[in-house]
Amino acid sequence: DTGVSQDPRHKITKRGQNVTFRCDPISEHNRLYWYRQTLGQGPEFLTYFQNEAQLEKSRLLSDRFSAERPKGSFSTLEIQRTEQGDSAMYLCASSLRYNEQFFGPGTRLTVL
Amino acid sequence: DQQVKQNSPSLSVQEGRISILNCDYTNSMFDYFLWYKKYPAEGPTFLISISSIKDKNEDGRFTVFLNKSAKHLSLHIVPSQPGDSAVYFCAAPNFGNEKLTFGTGTRLTIIP
Repeated sequence: DTGVSQDPRHKITKRGQNVTFRCDPISEHNRLYWYRQTLGQGPEFLTYFQNEAQLEKSRLLSDRFSAERPKGSFSTLEIQRTEQGDSAMYLCASSLRYNEQFFGPGTRLTVL
Repeated sequence: DQQVKQNSPSLSVQEGRISILNCDYTNSMFDYFLWYKKYPAEGPTFLISISSIKDKNEDGRFTVFLNKSAKHLSLHIVPSQPGDSAVYFCAAPNFGNEKLTFGTGTRLTIIP
């Protein structure tokens, strides 16, 4: 399978806990993106990597959020001290060109 | 500021008929547009795109029309099939950066 994969697919956690999500992009794609989608909304941009460099971060990405892409391959998104408002679908996408992004299946986070 | 708008949250169409999904945008700097299709519990799947140098792009049953003067685009699906039932998002990359701005989506239901 050559698509974008994300792990885990579902995560339920208690408020205040830390969570980490992983994204494996399509192997030849140098660009990797994280988005968040809440009910009734379209995906909202969080951050973007070109190779291992994090080039852009949204204001949505508070200091409790951190993303990494070591060696320009897979990426992780960590949320510290989770809040109920963090409950959402977290989507990862990758691309070769900026205007054709391919999405993974997402990680659905529920914060109790 | 919602730069990409999909004003119809839902649409029901009889199988075999034409489905028309609409999208309006406010940012005149947008020069490329994409349509994504999303099934429940899955990430968005790229469907079709159009550059602002064109006013129409066709791919099988899917055609996207762009009216730059009206800042409006539409996705036509003909004939509609039950497997087309999904949420459809239009999106545009922001000029000069990498993020996609999405509309809020239209849920299309094809009635057998």
